[in-house]
Amino acid sequence: QKEVEQNSGPLSVPEGAIASLNCTYSDRVSQSFFWYRQYSGKSPELIMSIYSNGDKEDGRFTAQLNKASQYVSLLIRDSQPSDSATYLCAAIASGGSYIPTFGRGTSLIVHP
Amino acid sequence: DVKVTQSSRYLVKRTGEKVFLECVQDMDHENMFWYRQDPGLGLRLIYFSYDVKMKEKGDIPEGYSVSREKKERFSLILESASTNQTSMYLCASSLLAGLAEGFFGPGTRLTVL
Repeated sequence: QKEVEQNSGPLSVPEGAIASLNCTYSDRVSQSFFWYRQYSGKSPELIMSIYSNGDKEDGRFTAQLNKASQYVSLLIRDSQPSDSATYLCAAIASGGSYIPTFGRGTSLIVHP
Repeated sequence: DVKVTQSSRYLVKRTGEKVFLECVQDMDHENMFWYRQDPGLGLRLIYFSYDVKMKEKGDIPEGYSVSREKKERFSLILESASTNQTSMYLCASSLLAGLAEGFFGPGTRLTVL
């Protein structure tokens, strides 16, 4: 059974700091990884996808993938209170049904 | 700019009722999904569909059925609602295989009394 693990948090960081969110997965076949942001009472919104080892940057967000160590992380630079949300990590394995496995999410709180 | 819509944001039903949750996407996506989300349990896949009239069971299909008669519409049916089906139901669609680069609808919070 493929598993995606996240620390439930909450992770609390001050405004302007770098927030680091981590995700580990158990299945070596996993090839595609996604980060979703979910505000309280709202549905998840895709913010980053990463398919290759290394870093991928998009504005204040950087996704990092290390397939050998089976972890993927999301860095949020210059964190803002509006970044306060739950962040879901998802992994899709190559072949098969391509159905993602979601982690249970990490709650991030950015305090002024 | 609405991409995935769900028929209701909040729904209250009684035990034993038949419940229909509708989802419509306007992006011409082939792949559509139904999830439920519960505190502490995360997102769990109920059913998904890769094409019209096609359906596949997810991780927790018991007590649910689905219908996809048109490409843009994917319906979730609770044949006989029970209190343990009280949850947030999320529909999603994607162009790429699986839920890659996908979009979620706003969700339906269903309460079964």
